[in-house]
Amino acid sequence: DQQVKQNSPSLSVQEGRISILNCDYTNSMFDYFLWYKKYPAEGPTFLISISSIKDKNEDGRFTVFLNKSAKHLSLHIVPSQPGDSAVYFCAASGVAGNQFYFGTGTSLTVIP
Amino acid sequence: GAVVSQHPSRVICKSGTSVKIECRSLDFQATTMFWYRQFPKQSLMLMATSNEGSKATYEQGVEKDKFLINHASLTLSTLTVTSAHPEDSSFYICSALGSGFYGELFFGEGSRLTVL
Repeated sequence: DQQVKQNSPSLSVQEGRISILNCDYTNSMFDYFLWYKKYPAEGPTFLISISSIKDKNEDGRFTVFLNKSAKHLSLHIVPSQPGDSAVYFCAASGVAGNQFYFGTGTSLTVIP
Repeated sequence: GAVVSQHPSRVICKSGTSVKIECRSLDFQATTMFWYRQFPKQSLMLMATSNEGSKATYEQGVEKDKFLINHASLTLSTLTVTSAHPEDSSFYICSALGSGFYGELFFGEGSRLTVL
């Protein structure tokens, strides 16, 4: 059973606009969440993370929001750039910190 | 920043042979490494957690005798696909856990295995 879900397999956004990628999880024991960006035939690269003690973490154009009661997190990219076109995975980690569960990914296309 | 290197990036082998994929952390020691498999249009599937000096922990449904994982040093973990079959063809990715308690994962570039 998928413990981390990304229900939107793809998203297209105009350059300069905001991209919002969503992620839901089922396990309330998860307390650390991460977003990864992946280009074809490459390994994912870490983008941004958030601990469950926070509800927002910002890094440049990237902001991650966490809603623990809804078991939902989202990644906002603003302004979106063509180079942001990639597959984005959200991941969750449990208390032990040594097990990571990934969502199915959302393919983002930023249209110039 | 931390770098994880995977080798080979592409490998083609005949059915029935074994293939070894290496995962190295280049500038940090990784007591824990992970191996994933990516199926087309699906998520990264965690195959196993590899801890230095101990046996790997396999996820449910992953054959430990088929996918041998060895983590003999703090900078190297290997995945050996034994008696490979065409259905084992996939993209395999390793990652290493950073030094912090909740350290980020640093991923290798991935290895594309094609079994003929």
